[in-house]
Amino acid sequence: AQSVTQLGSHVSVSEGALVLLRCNYSSSVPPYLFWYVQYPNQGLQLLLKYTSAATLVKGINGFEAEFKKSETSFHLTKPSAHMSDAAEYFCAVSIGSSYKLIFGSGTRLLVRP
Amino acid sequence: NAGVTQTPKFQVLKTGQSMTLQCAQDMNHNSMYWYRQDPGMGLRLIYYSASEGTTDKGEVPNGYNVSRLNKREFSLRLESAAPSQTSVYFCASSGTGGTGELFFGEGSRLTVL
Repeated sequence: AQSVTQLGSHVSVSEGALVLLRCNYSSSVPPYLFWYVQYPNQGLQLLLKYTSAATLVKGINGFEAEFKKSETSFHLTKPSAHMSDAAEYFCAVSIGSSYKLIFGSGTRLLVRP
Repeated sequence: NAGVTQTPKFQVLKTGQSMTLQCAQDMNHNSMYWYRQDPGMGLRLIYYSASEGTTDKGEVPNGYNVSRLNKREFSLRLESAAPSQTSVYFCASSGTGGTGELFFGEGSRLTVL
């Protein structure tokens, strides 16, 4: 069965520091992988997605993620954190032809001034 | 563009009361979903509808019913609300031929006393 594990429920970085949010997946077939961001009191919006093309995926707001099949990982990075990046981030994997998404438990990013 | 619209945004119920959450999308998407979000648990799929006229159970369907009224609308009903159903509920939609990207509403916060 497909699953997603996000390591670290909370991550704190200083403004300008590297952001690294970890995601590992389990899937019996090649997956589609997603990162979503949720700002307070809002719905989720797509940051980026991996759909079996380039393994390094660039998204909005300077975020990117690299698909590593050998490590079953899809970690999210950003070279320099901004205060506006403070939010909760969810990794997700899609399963089957119905496009149901399985979400990780989320990582809350705190950016310190 | 409205995207995915959910109503109501907030609701307080007493145990045993019933209510319906409404969702409508204007993107001509075939598939629609209801998720619930609880702290530390990410998003869990309650029900989904792959196309008009079909509905299927997700991960946590107990205590809920759904209706796919037409292509645009997908409602979620709580027949006899319980405190365990206190949560934030999200409706989402996705198109066919894509890669599973979901478009989310802003959420409905439900409290059951």
